[in-house]
Amino acid sequence: NAGVTQTPKFRVLKTGQSMTLLCAQDMNHEYMYWYRQDPGMGLRLIHYSVGEGTTAKGEVPDGYNVSRLKKQNFLLGLESAAPSQTSVYFCASSYSGGPGYFGPGTRLTVL
Amino acid sequence: DQQVKQNSPSLSVQEGRISILNCDYTNSMFDYFLWYKKYPAEGPTFLISISSIKDKNEDGRFTVFLNKSAKHLSLHIVPSQPGDSAVYFCAASPNSGNTPLVFGKGTRLSVIA
Repeated sequence: NAGVTQTPKFRVLKTGQSMTLLCAQDMNHEYMYWYRQDPGMGLRLIHYSVGEGTTAKGEVPDGYNVSRLKKQNFLLGLESAAPSQTSVYFCASSYSGGPGYFGPGTRLTVL
Repeated sequence: DQQVKQNSPSLSVQEGRISILNCDYTNSMFDYFLWYKKYPAEGPTFLISISSIKDKNEDGRFTVFLNKSAKHLSLHIVPSQPGDSAVYFCAASPNSGNTPLVFGKGTRLSVIA
């Protein structure tokens, strides 16, 4: 039982490049989330999903897209990376109404 | 507009004493509150929660108190241990947690041996 895993752990991009972050969970959770953590800002919700095939915007969705084609996977895409997207990205999953289980994070630097 | 506020960025406590971490919220629709603990280079881990029908919830050394009239909750850790040194996030949700959590900015707790 791996819980929530994130791929990759680290990535450096140049401005304008694109990439996809993968989140996978093996707990059969319906809800999945992408957060970003910046110094002094806490955790801010980017996008989330309440089930396979569904997505919704969070607090800071601009510049990101997501897809939930399979229940266990939640992908976060950056189409044209900007330095403001330098951050640590956390994926989480939960049962409805329950606490979230977080992945170990992906540290992204955009030069 | 911050809906969940942790006004103390950091807190230092001696080993064995009580740690009290505070959290205030502005949205009166919040009815589910959680605390998470985060070590460096790891994801946050769930610590303890409380629903608005209670005013106290205990789990071992950790107790969360909720004061709905003041829109305030606190996390008490007794006794504090060096391994408790971490960043603690307060989070809240309306709709019994079926709506995504809103997090505070976190409080860094240092427990000094």
